[in-house]
Amino acid sequence: QSALTQPRSVSGSPGQSVTISCTGTSTDVGSYNYVSWYQQHPGKAPKVIIYDVTKWPSGVPDRFSGSKSGNTASLTISGLQADDEADYYCCSFAGSHWVFGGGTKLTVL
Amino acid sequence: QLRLQESGPGLVKPSETLSLTCTVSGGSVSSSGYYWGWIRQPPGKGLEWIGAVYDSGTTYYNPSLKSRVTISVDTSKNQFSLKLTSVTAADTAVYYCARRREGTSLRDYWGQGTLVTVSS
Repeated sequence: QSALTQPRSVSGSPGQSVTISCTGTSTDVGSYNYVSWYQQHPGKAPKVIIYDVTKWPSGVPDRFSGSKSGNTASLTISGLQADDEADYYCCSFAGSHWVFGGGTKLTVL
Repeated sequence: QLRLQESGPGLVKPSETLSLTCTVSGGSVSSSGYYWGWIRQPPGKGLEWIGAVYDSGTTYYNPSLKSRVTISVDTSKNQFSLKLTSVTAADTAVYYCARRREGTSLRDYWGQGTLVTVSS
């Protein structure tokens, strides 16, 4: 069982917005602003798309945005595109180590 | 452009030790302000943080793997390595090496990953 809870799957049509949640506890997500999100296409290495809850790495479009409330972090993808279809993972600092979510498969209809 | 490349045996027997190396090019593993770590992904499953080494040599491990894991850095070869002892089939996974910037959750550079299968 993964330390952070994500929905197994979400879907949306091109142009729409989707939000993926990542629920942890007061010892990880709730305590630190060190939440990152990774996009992973099949057979590829993960790619960071959000870090420190809300920040964009260089080259990542602002269609991807992050937020946090209490023990739950969220990733919102607006203006869905076909290439956004991938697996998404959240990751949080947990005091002395890092924990990942179980992953969410995004399907673009 | 920084590049990370994992290398090591693709097949390890149960109870033996898994050993992988991550070679860094286009930058230095001894640059201050970075953590060099390992993350794995069992086939069809999610990501799991294994551990990391700071440029000073200080190490941090996943509590669930701590008794079996050693991560070290070899600055002369610009590499860092992973050793996982007493492996079982549950350790079969794609193993990634990655760099994290100190003071952030930004893992900005990843290797392509290498599949290690534990089987007799």
